[in-house]
Amino acid sequence: SQTIHQWPATLVQPVGSPLSLECTVEGTSNPNLYWYRQAAGRGLQLLFYSVGIGQISSEVPQNLSASRPQDRQFILSSKKLLLSDSGFYLCAGIGQPNQETQYFGPGTRLLVL
Amino acid sequence: LAKTTQPISMDSYEGQEVNITCSHNNIATNDYITWYQQFPSQGPRFIIQGYKTKVTNEVASLFIPADRKSSTLSLPRVSLSDTAVYYCLVGGSGPRNRDDKIIFGKGTRLHILP
Repeated sequence: SQTIHQWPATLVQPVGSPLSLECTVEGTSNPNLYWYRQAAGRGLQLLFYSVGIGQISSEVPQNLSASRPQDRQFILSSKKLLLSDSGFYLCAGIGQPNQETQYFGPGTRLLVL
Repeated sequence: LAKTTQPISMDSYEGQEVNITCSHNNIATNDYITWYQQFPSQGPRFIIQGYKTKVTNEVASLFIPADRKSSTLSLPRVSLSDTAVYYCLVGGSGPRNRDDKIIFGKGTRLHILP
């Protein structure tokens, strides 16, 4: 079955520092991949999604960027973090064999101080 | 993308059946209806998916009327551990539409009381 890996689980970063969160997928090929952010007590906000290597669609203009260097790797980055970047970041994917269900990773809790 | 509307929150008691209804008036012919459950500090977890009529698995049932403009997630005999946020999503098709972006609504915060 499909498994989404994310790390780290928790991250505390100072304002202005760079960010790199990695997501990798197991058990499927050619998946659609997604990055979401969730503020405390709020819903999921779609940030980026990718339908293939090098293909990134951005949903919300902001301080973040995403890249997909490999089929099963999705990276969320920032050159300079803002306080407002704090939140719970979730990676998700849809792939074979069940093409209708999104599988989520464990998430990364980011605190920018 | 079909927009969904759910109640913001619901309370129920242990042992009772809970029904959460989702409205999706603009559902497309090829859209599926999927429900997810999310606990604090965890990613959403797939519960059930359907296209029409009724679907049942070991966790829940999903009722979809003929016009498909709404759906109801039914949780039988809930326990305290069912306290979570439940999201209804509409979209996707088979085979997968590679341009699909998946957007979550606000979900329903279900609180089970002892």
